[in-house]
Parts: sequence; structure tokens; C-alpha cells
Amino acid sequence: DGGITQSPKYLFRKEGQNVTLSCEQNLNHDAMYWYRQDPGQGLRLIYYSQIVNDFQKGDIAEGYSVSREKKESFPLTVTSAQKNPTAFYLCASSSRDSYGYTFGSGTRLTIV
Amino acid sequence: AQSVTQLGSHVSVSEGALVLLRCNYSSSVPPYLFWYVQYPNQGLQLLLKYTSAATLVKGINGFEAEFKKSETSFHLTKPSAHMSDAAEYFCAVNPYNNNDMRFGAGTRLTVKP
Repeated sequence: DGGITQSPKYLFRKEGQNVTLSCEQNLNHDAMYWYRQDPGQGLRLIYYSQIVNDFQKGDIAEGYSVSREKKESFPLTVTSAQKNPTAFYLCASSSRDSYGYTFGSGTRLTIV
Repeated sequence: AQSVTQLGSHVSVSEGALVLLRCNYSSSVPPYLFWYVQYPNQGLQLLLKYTSAATLVKGINGFEAEFKKSETSFHLTKPSAHMSDAAEYFCAVNPYNNNDMRFGAGTRLTVKP
């Protein structure tokens, strides 16, 4: 079945370390997105990519970086510059032929 | 710019009672509207979507929503709540079906036995 796979489900890192969250899709979608979710704040867009080798900053890109070397993959790196990285991270994808986004199951990142 | 407002961050109903989750949108063009459901520690799952066809949209798990242009609303309803409906629900708007999906803040639904 087609879908989006995010890994790992839970991630613990020490403060000051960079960490990379994985997102892979086999839906043949062109666009991919990263959202951050904090309690009571809904979803906030970090980065998005509409085609391979191109990506755009969202509303809260500071302290994050991404790459899009393959259509299927859109990894997110949380750098040490991100002041408060503990959150739930969601990856999504979409295409012009389908309305709405398809989401992965999320990665919960905890900085200890 | 488009946006959505969900009225009520928490809604509590008894099992078997009507579920009504409110969503109002703002859009400069005819919108595409969506409702998503999120269970704890999971991603968002599409419940239903309005894409300018029928104004009454039926979704999964017995949910439906009605697009009312005059009221700029897209409220989500279910005639009879089930314990498994307890989750967080997000309304979203994306007028151009592009990368600019805007989500509401979410409504947490609690179902009491």
C-alpha cells in the first residue's frame, strides 16, 4: 500500500546535537512538507518542497534544514540552533491530482 | 489570505449524542476545505473534503460536513458519538490546492460513557 513512512517513531537526543528525521513516500507525490506540532498550537509549517532539489522555508524554518535529493525522500535535520526542539514532527505529501495532504505517523523528538 | 477558525478547543459529548465541531473559513476565492482526525501520537487522517461539488460531504466513520458559503462555515457533524471518536480534529483550507494548506488550531473531542 502507498503511504508515508516516518522514522523513528520516538527519538531522544542530548542538547546541542543535530538530529535527522526521516520521511519517505511511495505515492509518487511531487510535493512534501514538514510540520511541527506543539500542544494547543496546531500545525506549523517548517519547510516544503514542490520538486526535487528545490525547497522553501515555511513559517518556522529557523534552526531546521532539509534536502530533497530524491522525489521519495525529504529528511529534516533539527540543528543545535533550534532553541526548543522538543515536539511532534509530521511529514506530509501532496499532488496536483489529489486534494488534500497525506500524512505520516509522526516522530516525537525529545531533547534530554 | 485564507485561514480557518475552529470554535472551541475542547468539546465533550456523551456516547450516542450528536457531535458538532465548528469551523469557519476565510478565503478570497472558492475554497477547498478539509477535516482531519488525529489520534494520540499518530499522524493526521483525512475524514472528508469539499472540492466545489456537493455542499454536503460525507466522510469516513459516519462523519459529514456541510459547506455553507453564506456563513463561511464547514461544520463537522456525526449523529451519534462513539467512544472511538475521541480524538483531535483539524479543519483546513487550501483554496488553490497547492502548498499553502492552512490548519485550524484543532478541537479535542471527548466522549463520555
